[in-house]
Amino acid sequence: DQQVKQNSPSLSVQEGRISILNCDYTNSMFDYFLWYKKYPAEGPTFLISISSIKDKNEDGRFTVFLNKSAKHLSLHIVPSQPGDSAVYFCAASVGYGNKLVFGAGTILRVKS
Amino acid sequence: DAGVIQSPRHEVTEMGQEVTLRCKPISGHNSLFWYRQTMMRGLELLIYFNNNVPIDDSGMPEDRFSAKMPNASFSTLKIQPSEPRDSAVYFCASSLFSAGGTSSNSPLHFGNGTRLTVT
Repeated sequence: DQQVKQNSPSLSVQEGRISILNCDYTNSMFDYFLWYKKYPAEGPTFLISISSIKDKNEDGRFTVFLNKSAKHLSLHIVPSQPGDSAVYFCAASVGYGNKLVFGAGTILRVKS
Repeated sequence: DAGVIQSPRHEVTEMGQEVTLRCKPISGHNSLFWYRQTMMRGLELLIYFNNNVPIDDSGMPEDRFSAKMPNASFSTLKIQPSEPRDSAVYFCASSLFSAGGTSSNSPLHFGNGTRLTVT
């Protein structure tokens, strides 16, 4: 049973437009959420996070939105750049100090 | 900072053989994690250590899998005997605190992974 689900295996976006990556979770106890980015032949790298006390966190071109009632979070990238093409993993944990549960990932392709 | 170092990068072996994957975490990090990535299940946590002690191995799929961390700078993940369904990319990651990546101040730092193919 996957507790963190990324239902879109891939997404293709034109350069300069907005990319929206979605993530749903089933465990209502999750209270910390992260996005990781992964390039081919490399390990994932931390991108942005949000705690359940917030509904939005912004870092430059990247914004994460959390909708606790819907158990849904999304990552917005504006504007999208070709270098953003990668696999994006959503992850969640229950409390500080507990293990991260990752989704299956979404492949983002930004076309120039 | 050399980052998390994994070896080998690629491993091809025959079913039934023993496979050993190695990891050197970032110096000073006190938590180490082994993840497995597959197309269907994404990144699955197999086991993690805090201060060289295994904390949670509930993700280890079978007794064929074992992991050790004899000191703060080295860990191994062993599969014996290996099976074709073990084929995946195995990642090692480390972090500064036992949070294991649950804080933006202590994210998980991943190695580049070992691609294991069992034929």
